[in-house]
Amino acid sequence: ELKVEQNPLFLSMQEGKNYTIYCNYSTTSDRLYWYRQDPGKSLESLFVLLSNGAVKQEGRLMASLDTKARLSTLHITAAVHDLSATYFCAVDKNYGGSQGNLIFGKGTKLSVKP
Amino acid sequence: DTEVTQTPKHLVMGMTNKKSLKCEQHMGHRAMYWYKQKAKKPPELMFVYSYEKLSINESVPSRFSPECPNSSLLNLHLHALQPEDSALYLCASSQNGQLNQPQHFGDGTRLSIL
Repeated sequence: ELKVEQNPLFLSMQEGKNYTIYCNYSTTSDRLYWYRQDPGKSLESLFVLLSNGAVKQEGRLMASLDTKARLSTLHITAAVHDLSATYFCAVDKNYGGSQGNLIFGKGTKLSVKP
Repeated sequence: DTEVTQTPKHLVMGMTNKKSLKCEQHMGHRAMYWYKQKAKKPPELMFVYSYEKLSINESVPSRFSPECPNSSLLNLHLHALQPEDSALYLCASSQNGQLNQPQHFGDGTRLSIL
């Protein structure tokens, strides 16, 4: 059974600091996704990671994937208040399939303070 | 605003009522999904439709009945729900077979069962 673990679950950061969120998963998968969710809102796609060593960056966020270690990281550089949200990683357990069957981590609630 | 539209945004119903949630997308996506999200928890997959056919049912109770009338529409029929079914119900869609594309989520229907 595929399990997806994120840590930390809560993260309080100061503006301008760097930090990393970790996402471990238990079985082989060929797709990993990062989503952002603001309170009371829907999920916004951030990154899609498909291959070992994949690295993607958007603004102050950078995501990477190590399929051998079954680990993805979301690195935050010089945090700003607007990044405060809950971040989910999700792994597709439909390995090799054509449509998704996502298992989400519990989420990391990020709070960036001045 | 998201490209996946869900109605209604809020729904309060009694345990004996019958109601339906609706989801619509015009992105040409051929995979559509229903998720349930409890407060402060990650989304949990309920159903997947691929090319208008039900392809995944994650052991969802029969009081939830999905329907996909055409490639743009997805319904979730509700009957005899329980208080523990109160949650945010999210619809999503994706381009079937396009592994590098994420699922796009609607804003959700917040359901309360009295």
